[in-house]
Amino acid sequence: KNQVEQSPQSLIILEGKNCTLQCNYTVSPFSNLRWYKQDTGRGPVSLTIMTFSENTKSNGRYTATLDADTKQSSLHITASQLSDSASYICVVSAGGATNKLIFGTGTLLAVQP
Amino acid sequence: GAVVSQHPSRVICKSGTSVKIECRSLDFQATTMFWYRQFPKKSLMLMATSNEGSKATYEQGVEKDKFLINHASLTLSTLTVTSAHPEDSSFYICSVASGSHYNEQFFGPGTRLTVL
Repeated sequence: KNQVEQSPQSLIILEGKNCTLQCNYTVSPFSNLRWYKQDTGRGPVSLTIMTFSENTKSNGRYTATLDADTKQSSLHITASQLSDSASYICVVSAGGATNKLIFGTGTLLAVQP
Repeated sequence: GAVVSQHPSRVICKSGTSVKIECRSLDFQATTMFWYRQFPKKSLMLMATSNEGSKATYEQGVEKDKFLINHASLTLSTLTVTSAHPEDSSFYICSVASGSHYNEQFFGPGTRLTVL
C-alpha cells in the first residue's frame, strides 16, 4: 500500500532555532518527492521537489534531503522565524500514467518568540 | 509557478442547498485540474481529476452526482456540492498541473465550506 508517514506530528521551537522534519514513504513506483508548506486556512505552497537521483535541494532556509534507498526524506529549517509556523507536508508522486500524489498527514510546526 | 485562485474563500450554507466553488488558473492554461478535500488535521484527499472538455475522473468513494465538476475552459473549473449536508463541511482545494517534467501541482488558496 502506498503510504507517506511524517514525524513528529507536531513540534514547538523557539524563534531562531533549527529543526528537522522527517518523512518515510512506501510508494512504488517512485517519481519524485515534494515538501509543501501549508499555512492555516490556505492551500499548500511548494518548497522543494526532488527526483530519485537528487540527494539534497535547498530553497532559502529550507533544505530537503532524500535517501531513495531507505525511502526517507527530511526537511531542515534553519534559523526559524515566526512566519515558519505552518503545517509541512511531505508528498510523494507515484510514477506511471496517473502520477498520483500521495500526501503525508503533515507536521504542525509552531515557532514561538 | 502557476497562480491559482478560488472563489469563494469561505461559504456557509444551509443543509440541502447547493454550493458552487470556482477554481481559476490566472496565468496558465490548464488542461488538467484537481479537486481535493481536507478535513481538520488530516491530509489532502484527492476527490477528482478535472479534464478540460471532458468528464471528470472521480476517485473511489466520491459520488459524482453529488460533487459535480465542470471544466469548461482552460482557466476555469467548478465544483458544485449538491444537496450539501453537515458532513460535507470541509476545506476544498483545487490545483493545476503544470505538465512539466516534475508534473508539479500548484494549489489554490482553498474554500472553507460550512454546512449548517
